[in-house]
Amino acid sequence: SQKIEQNSEALNIQEGKTATLTCNYTNYSPAYLQWYRQDPGRGPVFLLLIRENEKEKRKERLKVTFDTTLKQSLFHITASQPADSATYLCALSNTGGFKTIFGAGTRLFVKA
Amino acid sequence: DGGITQSPKYLFRKEGQNVTLSCEQNLNHDAMYWYRQDPGQGLRLIYYSQIVNDFQKGDIAEGYSVSREKKESFPLTVTSAQKNPTAFYLCASSLEGNSNQPQHFGDGTRLSIL
Repeated sequence: SQKIEQNSEALNIQEGKTATLTCNYTNYSPAYLQWYRQDPGRGPVFLLLIRENEKEKRKERLKVTFDTTLKQSLFHITASQPADSATYLCALSNTGGFKTIFGAGTRLFVKA
Repeated sequence: DGGITQSPKYLFRKEGQNVTLSCEQNLNHDAMYWYRQDPGQGLRLIYYSQIVNDFQKGDIAEGYSVSREKKESFPLTVTSAQKNPTAFYLCASSLEGNSNQPQHFGDGTRLSIL
């Protein structure tokens, strides 16, 4: 069955460093990969979408890579700030359909 | 400001009771979705609707029902047949029901059993 794996252990980093979160998937060939941010008790907020033919995408301090050979996406936050502390969800979807599959997320803590 | 409003924020259900979770959007989106979020698990799709007066079952529809009588509204009823309803419920919408569209989420309803 289709599976998305995100590191269940929280990631703790120091302010100013680059945070790197990993999303691995199996039994799936997604056309699109999305990243969302979720704060405690709130709904997810869309951050970035990358297509299968795009290797990398950037938005301000965020960078996403998409390696369809490794079946992996990396999500980077450069110059991290305490306000970046949240859970980050990876989501996959394919063409010709509506369905998006979400990972369980990785919790990020940025210490001042 | 456009967005999705879910209510109530917290809801308690007694045994044998049906409860309805509200979801309203003013984004003029065609597609709407209901997800369930449990600790340590990804969002699981309960129902989705791509257009008014039409909806389809998701992966875990048993014990739930929905309606889509208006474009703006997509209420979810958790019936007494749902034996493990305690979870965080999220409503979402997208411009169209295409997989390349980002989804906009409400702030959820946390349902617990009394």
